[in-house]
Amino acid sequence: GAGVSQSPSNKVTEKGKDVELRCDPISGHTALYWYRQRLGQGLEFLIYFQGNSAPDKSGLPSDRFSAERTGESVSTLTIQRTQQEDSAVYLCASSSGQGAQGYTFGSGTRLTVV
Amino acid sequence: AQSVTQLGSHVSVSEGALVLLRCNYSSSVPPYLFWYVQYPNQGLQLLLKYTSAATLVKGINGFEAEFKKSETSFHLTKPSAHMSDAAEYFCAVIFGSSNTGKLIFGQGTTLQVKP
Repeated sequence: GAGVSQSPSNKVTEKGKDVELRCDPISGHTALYWYRQRLGQGLEFLIYFQGNSAPDKSGLPSDRFSAERTGESVSTLTIQRTQQEDSAVYLCASSSGQGAQGYTFGSGTRLTVV
Repeated sequence: AQSVTQLGSHVSVSEGALVLLRCNYSSSVPPYLFWYVQYPNQGLQLLLKYTSAATLVKGINGFEAEFKKSETSFHLTKPSAHMSDAAEYFCAVIFGSSNTGKLIFGQGTTLQVKP
């Protein structure tokens, strides 16, 4: 597609439920990143996929968080047993693999845990 | 630890005044440096990037940034602020010699432009 697409744009869930967030990167982009942006704060790195290499999961805050990516296509970020502190905007970005070109970000999924 | 620091979480300027948003990074190896802008209720947009070419980088909307290795800084400037520049600005860095690393973001600076 023309840009990075994320769905849903908004998600309200009850505490303890599982949620899945989806990211469609730009076609041909080999690298995909997930970030979290809490209200009034900067972007927090979560996970990074580069081609067929093992993902860099160093930013995942707990084992309730996981992400998958099939090849160089769609990625899903799953949060199990959601907590109120998980409320944030979850941003996905992709790049051509040449990180110096910068990333293209999606508009994000606003997750609210009530 | 590798880090990115933006001095000042909020900056307020008058329309027409100089904009200066500060960014410092911690690394002995010149990294790749970026500025992103986030307008209210919109996604992040790349403003400009430094990738070891000219140290003065020009971006969109009249913004520019200068890489100063000796000061480990990459401050963002614009000679004359417009009301439409009100947004949140993020400095971001890819550390190391590889250009395929993850972006580390500063905490962001909210720019307010007063009429």
